[in-house]
Amino acid sequence: EAGVVQSPRYKIIEKKQPVAFWCNPISGHNTLYWYLQNLGQGPELLIRYENEEAVDDSQLPKDRFSAERLKGVDSTLKIQPAELGDSAVYLCASSLQTIGTQYFGPGTRLLVL
Amino acid sequence: KQEVTQIPAALSVPEGENLVLNCSFTDSAIYNLQWFRQDPGKGLTSLLLIQSSQREQTSGRLNASLDKSSGRSTLYIAASQPGDSATYLCAVQMFTGGGNKLTFGTGTQLKVEL
Repeated sequence: EAGVVQSPRYKIIEKKQPVAFWCNPISGHNTLYWYLQNLGQGPELLIRYENEEAVDDSQLPKDRFSAERLKGVDSTLKIQPAELGDSAVYLCASSLQTIGTQYFGPGTRLLVL
Repeated sequence: KQEVTQIPAALSVPEGENLVLNCSFTDSAIYNLQWFRQDPGKGLTSLLLIQSSQREQTSGRLNASLDKSSGRSTLYIAASQPGDSATYLCAVQMFTGGGNKLTFGTGTQLKVEL
């Protein structure tokens, strides 16, 4: 069975440009998470979806970040415009239910120049 | 606010040594605690999950313990191998107003040398 798939794996952009990350969770997993991981730090939750509903987006900087999970499967995280401080790894994870083991994708490593 | 601390931040040991990684958390009202492994440039792989009602979990050479009342967990790795080299993260899961939340520590970077 395929794990959590993310693309692209790496992205280099100039500041003020937009960027989007895509995530395909494990089949059948209703809960999807986007995390931000800075160098030398643990991941921090940006947003959590239960099916297509964003049930926790309290840590998402809504002035420049947006996310969607239209059909309750794939999800897209967007940054517009990107800032230098957004350089980090963006991880997507999914779980079968709200409580339980989360399975992580390989992440998208973003570098903003 | 839940805070998770991991000690040491980095550890280098010779192959074959047994070792202990430590994790502490400030709020004991957790649902479970998980240990993850992260290889460079990769995502996280779940190693062990301990429910709040449990004291320990074992998988192969790994043993994780949980003392919820004191806010501590340890990950014991027996007979370490070079392939164990990675960053180990612990995370606690707890309910918030909107559902569950996973809070991670900053990790312990382990290097096992030949």
